[in-house]
Amino acid sequence: DGGITQSPKYLFRKEGQNVTLSCEQNLNHDAMYWYRQDPGQGLRLIYYSQIVNDFQKGDIAEGYSVSREKKESFPLTVTSAQKNPTAFYLCASSNGQSTYEQYFGPGTRLTVT
Amino acid sequence: QQQVKQSPQSLIVQKGGISIINCAYENTAFDYFPWYQQFPGKGPALLIAIRPDVSEKKEGRFTISFNKSAKQFSLHIMDSQPGDSATYFCAARIPVSSGSARQLTFGSGTQLTVLP
Repeated sequence: DGGITQSPKYLFRKEGQNVTLSCEQNLNHDAMYWYRQDPGQGLRLIYYSQIVNDFQKGDIAEGYSVSREKKESFPLTVTSAQKNPTAFYLCASSNGQSTYEQYFGPGTRLTVT
Repeated sequence: QQQVKQSPQSLIVQKGGISIINCAYENTAFDYFPWYQQFPGKGPALLIAIRPDVSEKKEGRFTISFNKSAKQFSLHIMDSQPGDSATYFCAARIPVSSGSARQLTFGSGTQLTVLP
């Protein structure tokens, strides 16, 4: 089955620790995205990547980092500099710039205490 | 800065009723307006989309109404069913010609509950 996988589904970390969220897609999509979802705030864009080895900051990139070494993979690191890291994180991909359809993974719920 | 404003934040409808969710935007350069549906614990999925030169688009029980002059669009769910209970997001596409690959900006979401 084609799609996007995110792992793990639930993640718990202590404050001050960096944590990396995995995102893999087998849809052969060029573009990939990371969103953060908080209640009442919709989906806010953290980072996006149009092609391998290239990525741009979204609206709330502070405290996060990404890499895009392979077309299929776009991991997100939540660093200790992120002040409020507890959230639901969604990875998405799309087939180029011309489409309005993004395919989302099932998400990772990160809790930092 | 919320480029797409969505209301209401939550909505409760009886089975068989009509659910209406509204969105407003300011940027007239947006060139596509999709709606996404998200079930609890899942990622959003595309439901229906409309171009700004079309006033209405219908797919089954779901209809988008678009008012270009008012810069508003809305999702209507006819004969609402308990299985429609989900969070709905409106979105707007930033045109490719702008040079940006970020594509979509989302509204804040509406949590719909359809009572049996």
